This record gives sequence, C-alpha cells and structure tokens, in this order.
Amino acid sequence: GENVEQHPSTLSVQEGDSAVIKCTYSDSASNYFPWYKQELGKRPQLIIDIRSNVGEKKDQRIAVTLNKTAKHFSLHITETQPEDSAVYFCAASIYKLIFGAGTRLAVHP
Amino acid sequence: DSGVTQTPKHLITATGQRVTLRCSPRSGDLSVYWYQQSLDQGLQFLIQYYNGEERAKGNILERFSAQQFPDLHSELNLSSLELGDSALYFCASSGTRGVYNEQFFGPGTRLTVL
Repeated sequence: GENVEQHPSTLSVQEGDSAVIKCTYSDSASNYFPWYKQELGKRPQLIIDIRSNVGEKKDQRIAVTLNKTAKHFSLHITETQPEDSAVYFCAASIYKLIFGAGTRLAVHP
Repeated sequence: DSGVTQTPKHLITATGQRVTLRCSPRSGDLSVYWYQQSLDQGLQFLIQYYNGEERAKGNILERFSAQQFPDLHSELNLSSLELGDSALYFCASSGTRGVYNEQFFGPGTRLTVL
C-alpha cells in the first residue's frame, strides 16, 4: 500500500543553523507533496507544498526539493529560530494525503 | 483561524459508548477529510467526502462511520468505543475533489475514552 517514510524522527539544532527533513514515498503516481507544521496541541498548518511537475520551491527561509525518480522529497529550513520548534509532517498524495510519522524539531537559542 | 470548525473541543466518555464529532468546512469547500492522531503519533487518514459522497477511504475501523450532509457539514460517528480510540480527531476541508490544493485543518476534537 501507499507509504511515506520520514527521517529523522527528532532533530535538534542551534539557532541559526539549517535543518533538513527527508521523506520517501512508495506510490510513483503521487503528485502533490505538502509539508505541515504542528505545534503542541494545535492543528497542522501547511507551510509549503510542491507539485510533481516542479523540482524545487522556496518561500523565504523554507524550501522543498523533489526528486521524482528517487521518490524522495526534502524540507530545508535555513537560519532556524526558536519559533520553528514544532513537529513537521510530510505527506504525499494522489487522492488522499498519506502522512509521514513526523519530525520533532527543537531549535535551541 | 482556518475557517474549519469542529465541535466539541473535548469529549470524555466510557468504553462501549458512542459519540459523534462534527465538522463544518470552510465556506465553499466541498471536500471534507477526517484524520485520527493518537498521542505522539502521525496523522492517519480515515475518510474523505466530496459534496455528500464518499470519495476515499483510509484506515477507518468498521465501528466508525461518517457522512456529509447537504449543507456540507460532516459528522464522524464512533461506536463501541475502546481505550485505544482515545486520540485527537481532525477534520480538514479543501475546495476541490482531489488533493491538489491545500487542506485546511480544523482545531480538532480531543476524545478521551476511560
């Protein structure tokens, strides 16, 4: 069945460093790849997404890259700040979103 | 605020009971999705409705059912509740039939089964 693997499960960085989270998906027909940020006890919020016809997308300090051949996509956060601390979920989709297990990012001042 | 509303915010009940969770999508959105998030776990897709019809199904138990009404609000019914059903239940909505656009999540309903 469809599956999305996400690594690492936890990530600890110093403020100002970069953070990279990686996901792989199993269904080659997947064509939409969003990333969600979830703070404790709150709803997931979309931070960036990419469609299968695009290899990279950037929005200020965050960027996502997609390698369709390898079925692999990544989230890059530069110049991390303490408010970036949260759980980040990747997802892959055809008709429904299949989420990765999440990465708990901690940014230390 | 995403524009998606969910009620109730919290629900505490006992094993064996039945509960109904309610979701109102953003104005104009035709698709509603239900997700379950257990403690420190990821988001498990349960079911999607589009304009009143079931569109896609995920890992939804037979004890769970859902529907979408003509006014587009949706209800998730959970019956014969077990301790393991304790979780955050999110609903999300989007404006399209497929998942090509952002899904907007509601604030969630926290269900505790004692």
